[in-house]
Amino acid sequence: KAGVTQTPRYLIKTRGQQVTLSCSPISGHRSVSWYQQTPGQGLQFLFEYFSETQRNKGNFPGRFSGRQFSNSRSEMNVSTLELGDSALYLCASSLNPPVDTIYFGEGSWLTVV
Amino acid sequence: AQSVTQLGSHVSVSEGALVLLRCNYSSSVPPYLFWYVQYPNQGLQLLLKYTSAATLVKGINGFEAEFKKSETSFHLTKPSAHMSDAAEYFCAVSLNAGGFKTIFGAGTRLFVKA
Repeated sequence: KAGVTQTPRYLIKTRGQQVTLSCSPISGHRSVSWYQQTPGQGLQFLFEYFSETQRNKGNFPGRFSGRQFSNSRSEMNVSTLELGDSALYLCASSLNPPVDTIYFGEGSWLTVV
Repeated sequence: AQSVTQLGSHVSVSEGALVLLRCNYSSSVPPYLFWYVQYPNQGLQLLLKYTSAATLVKGINGFEAEFKKSETSFHLTKPSAHMSDAAEYFCAVSLNAGGFKTIFGAGTRLFVKA
């Protein structure tokens, strides 16, 4: 079956702009979580959605937001982009975490200039 | 607070030698522990996971890890390194405490010398 799909894979934005990243989970998975990966901070948890509800949120400013649709697809949005937002954004899906395996997508590379 | 510590940001071994990547965790609730591998420009791939069934967990590509509660450790090993094992490895703990989240260690980059 198809894995976790993230779009776009690469994008370049200018400071002050906003960006929306999309994630399609594995079919049947209702949990989608997002992570930011940077060389300096490593992998950090952004938030997790389950059946359209945000269940948990990491320590990120309000500029980072997300949502999940009824088909479990998820989007995350970053407004008023800063240079420090340049990172690899990873989406992961699972049937019922943490018991069930969490599967990661290939990520979306965001560069802010 | 929950945390994961990986000892050694870089580990170098010769091909055929033992691979040992160290991970210690702290958790106030029973943890689910994972090791992931990341190849350049790719997402994370699960190597193995501990979910309290057995303390010695076998994963893909010949890797295994042992959960030691008394030492709060979950070290990753492989008897014989292969060139294709060169990658970054992440230890992670997943919790369901007030909502599900996964906390990752800082990662260990494994170099394999010919």
